[in-house]
Amino acid sequence: AQSVTQLDSHVSVSEGTPVLLRCNYSSSYSPSLFWYVQHPNKGLQLLLKYTSAATLVKGINGFEAEFKKSETSFHLTKPSAHMSDAAEYFCVARSYRDSGTYKYIFGTGTRLKVLA
Amino acid sequence: NAGVTQTPKFRVLKTGQSMTLLCAQDMNHEYMYWYRQDPGMGLRLIHYSVGEGTTAKGEVPDGYNVSRLKKQNFLLGLESAAPSQTSVYFCASSRGVTGELFFGEGSRLTVL
Repeated sequence: AQSVTQLDSHVSVSEGTPVLLRCNYSSSYSPSLFWYVQHPNKGLQLLLKYTSAATLVKGINGFEAEFKKSETSFHLTKPSAHMSDAAEYFCVARSYRDSGTYKYIFGTGTRLKVLA
Repeated sequence: NAGVTQTPKFRVLKTGQSMTLLCAQDMNHEYMYWYRQDPGMGLRLIHYSVGEGTTAKGEVPDGYNVSRLKKQNFLLGLESAAPSQTSVYFCASSRGVTGELFFGEGSRLTVL
C-alpha cells in the first residue's frame, strides 16, 4: 500500500539554524510530492511541489526539498530558521486510484518549534 | 481573491443534531474534497467529487453525506452528529492536471 512517513512528529531548532524535516514515501512509481505548511488555526498552504521535473525543488519562504528516488525520500530543508516558520508541516504524495482519479496520501505531520 | 471558502468556521452541536458545512471555490476546479483533521492522524479523506453531480467515498465516509449540485460548491452533511465527529473539517479543491490542493481555512465542529 502507498504511504507517506514523516519521521519526526516534533522538531525544535534555534532561530538562524538549519531546518530539516524528513519524509519518506512508498510507491511503486514516482508520485507527485508536496509539502504543505499549517499555521495555528489556519488551512494548509502549499510550500512546494515535485512533479517529475528537477529533483531539487525550491518553494516559498526559502524552503526547498530534494527528491531522491533511490532513497524514496523528499526531505524539506531551509538554511536558516525564522520564528515565523513555527508551524506544522505535512508531506503529501499524489497517486492514481484504480478508477483513474487522483488520491492524496498525507503524512501525520511534523510540528516545528523555533527557539529564540 | 477568495479561493476556497468554508462556512461556518465554528459550530457546536448536541449528539443527534444535523448540520451542513458549505464549501465554495471560485477557481473553476473540477475536483473537490472534504477532509477531517484529528491530532496525530494527519488529514483523512471523507468524500470527494471529480465533477458537478458526482461524489465518491473516501477513507472515513461513515456518518457523512455530500452533494455537489453546482461545480463551485461541495456540501458536507452530518445527519445525526456523534461525539466522534468532533474534529476540524477542511475542504480542498484541485485542478486535476497540476495536482496542487487548495485548502479552506477549516471548520471546527464540536459535538457534545
